[in-house]
Amino acid sequence: GAVVSQHPSRVICKSGTSVKIECRSLDFQATTMFWYRQFPKQSLMLMATSNEGSKATYEQGVEKDKFLINHASLTLSTLTVTSAHPEDSSFYICSERGTGQYEQFFGPGTRLTVL
Amino acid sequence: QKEVEQNSGPLSVPEGAIASLNCTYSDRGSQSFFWYRQYSGKSPELIMSIYSNGDKEDGRFTAQLNKASQYVSLLIRDSQPSDSATYLCAVNRNDYKLSFGAGTTVTVRA
Repeated sequence: GAVVSQHPSRVICKSGTSVKIECRSLDFQATTMFWYRQFPKQSLMLMATSNEGSKATYEQGVEKDKFLINHASLTLSTLTVTSAHPEDSSFYICSERGTGQYEQFFGPGTRLTVL
Repeated sequence: QKEVEQNSGPLSVPEGAIASLNCTYSDRGSQSFFWYRQYSGKSPELIMSIYSNGDKEDGRFTAQLNKASQYVSLLIRDSQPSDSATYLCAVNRNDYKLSFGAGTTVTVRA
């Protein structure tokens, strides 16, 4: 399957700061990547679809001005959580489409804690 | 009705037993079905995909799909302590995205 890396793996920040999370495809040229959020003991919730060279598409209820996504190259998508607040503390995971039908492979995730 | 529903856990099985996980989905047009394993604190890992009705076996894992009943299951044979994890069922939406169930946590007792 696809190999995806994320950086950083863990970040702690103060309320009001912005945090950037990088997601890299290590073996494919990923025109499409996905960003998920997972709160403790809950399932994955898709936040947005990152499209190389065009605007991201956001799921209903996700604030596009708060969660900025940039997919400037075929191997890198970034998610910036702007003006982070404690309620944004979560596990953020990106994924990449594999070569199979609809399958996705996930990065290792980034645990964000906002104080 | 949720798009993807899984049997509520946690599920506790003795080592060597069969763990049976169930999942139902609401979109009759779904074509692709996946089981992911997620260890505590880690991201999901794809362990099975199934696209056609019937059974698909991979090592100790067997996925079963019944599109008429909108039902997909995962059997883990000869369960090992290392199988202790949360198992997520995922189904494609009418686009290329996936909808995930809430997950079933499995604990294998040594």
